[in-house]
Amino acid sequence: GEDVEQSLFLSVREGDSSVINCTYTDSSSTYLYWYKQEPGAGLQLLTYIFSNMDMKQDQRLTVLLNKKDKHLSLRIADTQTGDSAIYFCAETSPYSSASKIIFGSGTRLSIRP
Amino acid sequence: NAGVTQTPKFQVLKTGQSMTLQCAQDMNHEYMSWYRQDPGMGLRLIHYSVGAGITDQGEVPNGYNVSRSTTEDFPLRLLSAAPSQTSVYFCASRRGTGGGQPQHFGDGTRLSIL
Repeated sequence: GEDVEQSLFLSVREGDSSVINCTYTDSSSTYLYWYKQEPGAGLQLLTYIFSNMDMKQDQRLTVLLNKKDKHLSLRIADTQTGDSAIYFCAETSPYSSASKIIFGSGTRLSIRP
Repeated sequence: NAGVTQTPKFQVLKTGQSMTLQCAQDMNHEYMSWYRQDPGMGLRLIHYSVGAGITDQGEVPNGYNVSRSTTEDFPLRLLSAAPSQTSVYFCASRRGTGGGQPQHFGDGTRLSIL
């Protein structure tokens, strides 16, 4: 079945780059997403990538997709304290009912001074 | 533009009580869904709807009912609350089922069952 896995925690020094990794099992995945959840709030879509792309860049965010290894990563350049949050990887497939989005368990990013 | 609005934000129930979590969106989105978020488990889909009058089950539907009488509203009902339903519940909507459509989330309802 569909599964999305992420490590639970990441600690990064302010100003360094953060790299959050995700693996997924559904080879028919078409869209892969990164969501950000700040404390007490819902999830906010950060970026997404279509499965025929290898990379997508949006300001400080870079998404890399290795479709062969079913591996997705999110790189945040020049990490700031405001980047502290939980980051969810998610995927959807045209074969899942009504294009359901499957979420990973989330990676909690903490920033140290 | 309110987006997705969930009420209440917090609720404490006793085992066996019933309640309805409200969700409303003002973006005329066709697709709405309910998730529960538990520590270390990400978001799990409870029920979803692809339009008014149409609902279907997600991964963890047991103990929950939904209805979709209007495009705007998608309430989630707990008929007889159990401690295992203690969780944070998120409602979400998106314009259609196409993968490139972003999903908009409410701020969540934190529910505790004693």
